[in-house]
Amino acid sequence: ETGVTQSPTHLIKTRGQQVTLRCSSQSGHNTVSWYQQALGQGPQFIFQYYREEENGRGNFPPRFSGLQFPNYSSELNVNALELDDSALYLCASSLGSSGGPQNTQYFGPGTRLTVL
Amino acid sequence: AQSVAQPEDQVNVAEGNPLTVKCTYSVSGNPYLFWYVQYPNRGLQFLLKYITGDNLVKGSYGFEAEFNKSQTSFHLKKPSALVSDSALYFCAVNPPTSGTYKYIFGTGTRLKVLA
Repeated sequence: ETGVTQSPTHLIKTRGQQVTLRCSSQSGHNTVSWYQQALGQGPQFIFQYYREEENGRGNFPPRFSGLQFPNYSSELNVNALELDDSALYLCASSLGSSGGPQNTQYFGPGTRLTVL
Repeated sequence: AQSVAQPEDQVNVAEGNPLTVKCTYSVSGNPYLFWYVQYPNRGLQFLLKYITGDNLVKGSYGFEAEFNKSQTSFHLKKPSALVSDSALYFCAVNPPTSGTYKYIFGTGTRLKVLA
């Protein structure tokens, strides 16, 4: 069984740039969630995708957008980067109808984004 | 507002002693509760979850957690701590009435097990 993988591991960008982060879900999982973890904080929910459709969104501005592909992998795109976007971005996959709340989410190792 | 609290930023315990990491929640309805552990420069690893049924849940690496509805708590426990248990622990709740299937995380508790 292949776990959740994310790329790249680390990324450095400057303010105003755009970034794309990638996630491959665990084998057989059809739901992907993205979280932002700022230094010293718990992860904050960005959004979730189920079968290529957005299935819920947290309190993040529209410049945070995503995609899910037919193979259930996913991308997180952030436009017009700000300094406060510096964080660890975590992807989690799960299996279930619409990512049911009781279904365990399995996390990838994360992408560390630094915005200068 | 729905929330999760981990009242202790850090817990220190001697190796071989029992450990407890505290978590309380404030959500409407019957919550689904989770514990995760995070090692340095790593993602979150699932330890255990409470969905329904027995209030004592057993999970990975000898950890267990007790769901207490009246106290709205879900404390993580282990009978005998190991140095290798030293890590950052997160409690999370997935409110069934949230309308979306998102986890709400606490701010984390750093566990240090001293040899």
